[in-house]
Amino acid sequence: EVQLVESGGGLVQPGRSLRLSCAASGFTFDDYAMHWVRQPPGKGLEWVSGISWDSGSIGYAESVQGRFTISRDNAKNSLYLQVNRLRPEDTALYYCVKDSGSWPTLNWYFDLWGRGTLVTVSS
Amino acid sequence: EIVLTQSPGTLSLSPGEGATLSCRASQNVGSNSLAWYQQKPGQAPRLLIYGASSRATGIPDRFSGSGSGTDFTLTISRLEPEDFAVYYCQQYGSSPPTFGGGTKVEIK
Repeated sequence: EVQLVESGGGLVQPGRSLRLSCAASGFTFDDYAMHWVRQPPGKGLEWVSGISWDSGSIGYAESVQGRFTISRDNAKNSLYLQVNRLRPEDTALYYCVKDSGSWPTLNWYFDLWGRGTLVTVSS
Repeated sequence: EIVLTQSPGTLSLSPGEGATLSCRASQNVGSNSLAWYQQKPGQAPRLLIYGASSRATGIPDRFSGSGSGTDFTLTISRLEPEDFAVYYCQQYGSSPPTFGGGTKVEIK
């Protein structure tokens, strides 16, 4: 089955860190760029970060630049997001999403989404 | 970054009626690089349309997209009960990719 399964979310105090993980299955993981998109409770969607097939190209939203780090391990079919210096406004459901374009094409729109992992930042 | 404004915020319609959703960009969206997603409560978004007018795999033909430049439209020709949801547009022609605020299609 083609799927993405996120984990690692939870309740954390402001200023602390978390590492989000995403396990991919059912497709050739290293053929695709991957992204994180977040959604605050009851609100809209925000692209957070993306990484190319070989980790050679990485991008971040301005709102998380310098605090979040995306990475991937193709041998483990896994995507990660290290989230540091968390703020209350980072509270959101974090989705792992697959780029629709396969190597060497990067489309920047998303055809497979996980169910998300909830990060709540509160004291 | 490109700001996408979706209207209306909420659309109240009955099953069988048609729906027209608008997405307006703050600047030109290059190469008509616009996608539409559907999100039902408690679920992840699902890709409906890409390239402004191409349906994604498995999407029924009652969904259609149109537009270019800064003005885009998602049309649902006849609403089925499963179509009541929130719809988001997303531009991917410029970095960073950005989403609109969403239009909720609710049962009247």
